[in-house]
Amino acid sequence: LAKTTQPISMDSYEGQEVNITCSHNNIATNDYITWYQQFPSQGPRFIIQGYKTKVTNEVASLFIPADRKSSTLSLPRVSLSDTAVYYCLVGSRDGATNKLIFGTGTLLAVQP
Amino acid sequence: KAGVTQTPRYLIKTRGQQVTLSCSPISGHRSVSWYQQTPGQGLQFLFEYFSETQRNKGNFPGRFSGRQFSNSRSEMNVSTLELGDSALYLCASSPGLALSTDTQYFGPGTRLTVL
Repeated sequence: LAKTTQPISMDSYEGQEVNITCSHNNIATNDYITWYQQFPSQGPRFIIQGYKTKVTNEVASLFIPADRKSSTLSLPRVSLSDTAVYYCLVGSRDGATNKLIFGTGTLLAVQP
Repeated sequence: KAGVTQTPRYLIKTRGQQVTLSCSPISGHRSVSWYQQTPGQGLQFLFEYFSETQRNKGNFPGRFSGRQFSNSRSEMNVSTLELGDSALYLCASSPGLALSTDTQYFGPGTRLTVL
């Protein structure tokens, strides 16, 4: 699985757009990029997944440049309830390695 | 669809005891993975079961074991508990089709405290 690098923490205010960037220089051709959100004492929650260009769902957008060596999770108009740890994961799935390796994640603190 | 459920949610044990945690995956999912989360080590993979067989295993001692039943429900067992086993134990289910887009869905976790 590709190693990922994210900022340890970020601060924001309610109503702002937040962009969290993840670096994954050794991403493999068949690797997808997946983001999870985790609140204290809860399991990680799947947010979004993508392979290239842009993916958007009801909670976030994921931007992936052509070289795929980085990706940016964009959260529009954050609220206090978006305060959580965000994990970027890069890796393929096959029968032998169906496991996720979580890095340290990014602690997003949203203030009023 | 109902999400992943884990029981119990909280557990307090003493050193030397053993514990069994249970996980019910999302209906139709055949893969169940277990993770341990601690403040110092973060989220670490324990093992994965698919169709009642252990398909992958993390770097944990033999005191940690698991199994999966024919209905895909899974249990994990920790024997001879140590203080360092205090953690949030998370179960995640996925279709298990080994596709690149296979997403794992996590349960709320079981908080184990070893005294």
